[in-house]
Amino acid sequence: DTGVSQNPRHKITKRGQNVTFRCDPISEHNRLYWYRQTLGQGPEFLTYFQNEAQLEKSRLLSDRFSAERPKGSFSTLEIQRTEQGDSAMYLCASSLAIYNEQFFGPGTRLTVL
Amino acid sequence: AQSVTQLDSQVPVFEEAPVELRCNYSSSVSVYLFWYVQYPNQGLQLLLKYLSGSTLVKGINGFEAEFNKSQTSFHLRKPSVHISDTAEYFCAVIHGGTTDSWGKLQFGAGTQVVVTP
Repeated sequence: DTGVSQNPRHKITKRGQNVTFRCDPISEHNRLYWYRQTLGQGPEFLTYFQNEAQLEKSRLLSDRFSAERPKGSFSTLEIQRTEQGDSAMYLCASSLAIYNEQFFGPGTRLTVL
Repeated sequence: AQSVTQLDSQVPVFEEAPVELRCNYSSSVSVYLFWYVQYPNQGLQLLLKYLSGSTLVKGINGFEAEFNKSQTSFHLRKPSVHISDTAEYFCAVIHGGTTDSWGKLQFGAGTQVVVTP
């Protein structure tokens, strides 16, 4: 069990560029969550996968955001045409069952200039 | 509306003193409650959770919390803190009852604990 990993850890981009983040969950976990955390706030839910199926998307997730989890393994979160308001820490978490502990990765910190 | 409120944004405390972090929630369905800790430049780590059963739950690093359904609270306590407890603490809730929640966590805004000698 190597824990949840996220890459890259930091990303600086210019407004209007596209960015993609990767999350590798704990291998036997079939549930995967993405959250976003801005300075001074708690994480906010973005989207959820059970295996490869994306079952819920938050209203926070505009059309510029897309997430995938091919084959129910790693997941990617893509942001198109980034805006300064997208600057945040993007957290990934995985779990075995619906009310079990969610294990969090270290996050990807996005800065949009 | 479903919400999670952490009543203190920052709690200064002296080393070896007790600390209590307050968390209140609002929900129309059953709840599952969690406390997470975030050390500087690290990911979130689970301290403890309440799913059912005894309302007093014990977690790692000497922390405990009590679920009070009538007061809709889940306060976190530690009888004697260490310098290493300096971190941000988040209360989180899963609003259960239906599959619509999908187990997603709703977090409070966090409480920064600063332990000084």
